[in-house]
Amino acid sequence: AQKITQTQPGMFVQEKEAVTLDCTYDTSDPSYGLFWYKQPSSGEMIFLIYQGSYDQQNATEGRYSLNFQKARKSANLVISASQLGDSAMYFCAMREGRDTGRRALTFGSGTRLQVQP
Amino acid sequence: GAVVSQHPSWVICKSGTSVKIECRSLDFQATTMFWYRQFPKQSLMLMATSNEGSKATYEQGVEKDKFLINHASLTLSTLTVTSAHPEDSSFYICSARASGEGRNQPQHFGDGTRLSIL
Repeated sequence: AQKITQTQPGMFVQEKEAVTLDCTYDTSDPSYGLFWYKQPSSGEMIFLIYQGSYDQQNATEGRYSLNFQKARKSANLVISASQLGDSAMYFCAMREGRDTGRRALTFGSGTRLQVQP
Repeated sequence: GAVVSQHPSWVICKSGTSVKIECRSLDFQATTMFWYRQFPKQSLMLMATSNEGSKATYEQGVEKDKFLINHASLTLSTLTVTSAHPEDSSFYICSARASGEGRNQPQHFGDGTRLSIL
């Protein structure tokens, strides 16, 4: 079974509008972390936002917010006021288990976001 | 913030050549580094976990004799693709976490290496 599922291969959004990128996850471990990364065409991975499984509030970082619905095992990324520079691939990722710094991330298949002027 | 440097950025070489990719943590120590592989328009797939001073842990299906990993110090891990063939052409990217960082700190990624085998 897929650990991280991103069901939207591609999304379009008008500049200045908000967009939601979907992510669902599957784990039986009560302790986990969820991450969103942005990957522009140049290839580097840019960290956007983190949500821990025990966090009570949804994470926010500037124009990025994470809609964390633990019971539904979803961690959707919301980008507000889209900008042309937001056009990129977006990956949802999960680290299972306690954070020891020694656990790799499992990535979803990604969503390609295109912001239109 | 923590920086991971990966070198080289691009490699184009002939089939049968061995290629070494370096991953350095510039301002922190990393007992563990991770190597991922990404084919065009696909996701990042973990290849192996590199542990300082010990053998790397490889994911199922990754040939350890093909992809040699050495983590000789707390700031450097290397991936050597031995006798590379066109099917090894891919984007290779490493990541690391600083020891002792808070739980909400992400893995820090290098900028990746695009490997093209002719």
